[in-house]
Amino acid sequence: GAVVSQHPSRVICKSGTSVKIECRSLDFQATTMFWYRQFPKQSLMLMATSNEGSKATYEQGVEKDKFLINHASLTLSTLTVTSAHPEDSSFYICSARETSSYEQYFGPGTRLTVT
Amino acid sequence: KNEVEQSPQNLTAQEGEFITINCSYSVGISALHWLQQHPGGGIVSLFMLSSGKKKHGRLIATINIQEKHSSLHITASHPRDSAVYICAVPTSGSRLTFGEGTQLTVNP
Repeated sequence: GAVVSQHPSRVICKSGTSVKIECRSLDFQATTMFWYRQFPKQSLMLMATSNEGSKATYEQGVEKDKFLINHASLTLSTLTVTSAHPEDSSFYICSARETSSYEQYFGPGTRLTVT
Repeated sequence: KNEVEQSPQNLTAQEGEFITINCSYSVGISALHWLQQHPGGGIVSLFMLSSGKKKHGRLIATINIQEKHSSLHITASHPRDSAVYICAVPTSGSRLTFGEGTQLTVNP
């Protein structure tokens, strides 16, 4: 089946630094990718929808200047958490929608810890 | 009322038992997703279905579009099936709305 990878799988950073998370569709093209955040014992929350070649659409309450999204190719979207704070510590998950079939596939997630 | 509701929230079973997890939704949809999330956090897409039934190994998913209801069944459950199972439906374009998940624990 289709595979979506995320890198890194786990990252620890100091407060005030920036962290970039990559989401790649390995064997299919994805015009649209989605970024989610999940806090412990909670469901996934959509942060933004990333469209190849255009600006991302952010959900209400998500700061676009803090969570920078770039979708420069049909197989790669990146999420950069700028000036990270401990409250940004969370599990970040991407999904990719296959351009031809519209099926969505999820990445394995990235565990971010800000100290 | 949530757009997607799952039951039960928690389920404990003995190895070998037949498991059923239910999902009801309130919006019209084109397809429904069943996802599995293991304790490490990674999510695996189990099924995407729009009608009838799909089977993959010991997993079976059914959906009734008229009744807005789907079920996920696990036959001959095993401790490695222990995970959170989540149903999700597209509510706006490709945006998914997720159920709160069912925590399944299968004891040996």
